[in-house]
Amino acid sequence: EVQLVESGGGLVQPGGSLRLSCAASGFTFSDYAMSWVRQAPGKGLEWVSVISGGGSSTYFADSVKGRFTISRDNSRSTVYLQMNSLRAEDTAVYYCAKGGYCSSASCQYYFDYWGQGTLVTVSS
Amino acid sequence: QTVVTQEPSFSVSPGSTVTLTCGLSSGSVSTGYYPSWYQQTPGQAPRTLIYSTNTRSSGVPDRFSGSILGNKAALTITGAQADDESNYYCVLYMGSGTLIFGGGTKLTVL
Repeated sequence: EVQLVESGGGLVQPGGSLRLSCAASGFTFSDYAMSWVRQAPGKGLEWVSVISGGGSSTYFADSVKGRFTISRDNSRSTVYLQMNSLRAEDTAVYYCAKGGYCSSASCQYYFDYWGQGTLVTVSS
Repeated sequence: QTVVTQEPSFSVSPGSTVTLTCGLSSGSVSTGYYPSWYQQTPGQAPRTLIYSTNTRSSGVPDRFSGSILGNKAALTITGAQADDESNYYCVLYMGSGTLIFGGGTKLTVL
């Protein structure tokens, strides 16, 4: 059974930093790209970032480019989202999702499994 | 700036068929955008319904189907049920590792 469990959310002041983690299980982690998707309160879903299966390729939404980085540790089956220079508009539930780009095995331009999300609140 | 467009809301009677669409602010949606569809009820994580235009995700009933209709991607629900009342989002792959969500459609079944 595929499971994605996010952690690391919380309250942070504007300009601060936070690192989210997503622990995966139930599939060969390195065979799949991993993505982060967020949802501001009462708003729709927004794709944030994706990392390829091997970790060599990363992509970001314009809204977070230059402030967020994505990385993965395939030995731990975990993907991370480092968020710096946080703004009030980054307040959202952040979901980890399997898929969204390519690995050495295949390309999957969609998300097939989702975590339950972790809430990030940026406020003074 | 490319915008992915969806109907903000839609209402359907139980048992009826409804088609939600996913378009582009500029241009046409084709299979090359690998359209996918997700269902989300408030407070829950999204659920994957359709990917690569018309492939149903595991466990999704066959009354959900995907297609290209004209210049848009489409999600058709045949025989709508009360528990189909949800928000529906499409996603398009824009190339260069970038995906864009549509604004979502709030479907009411009444």
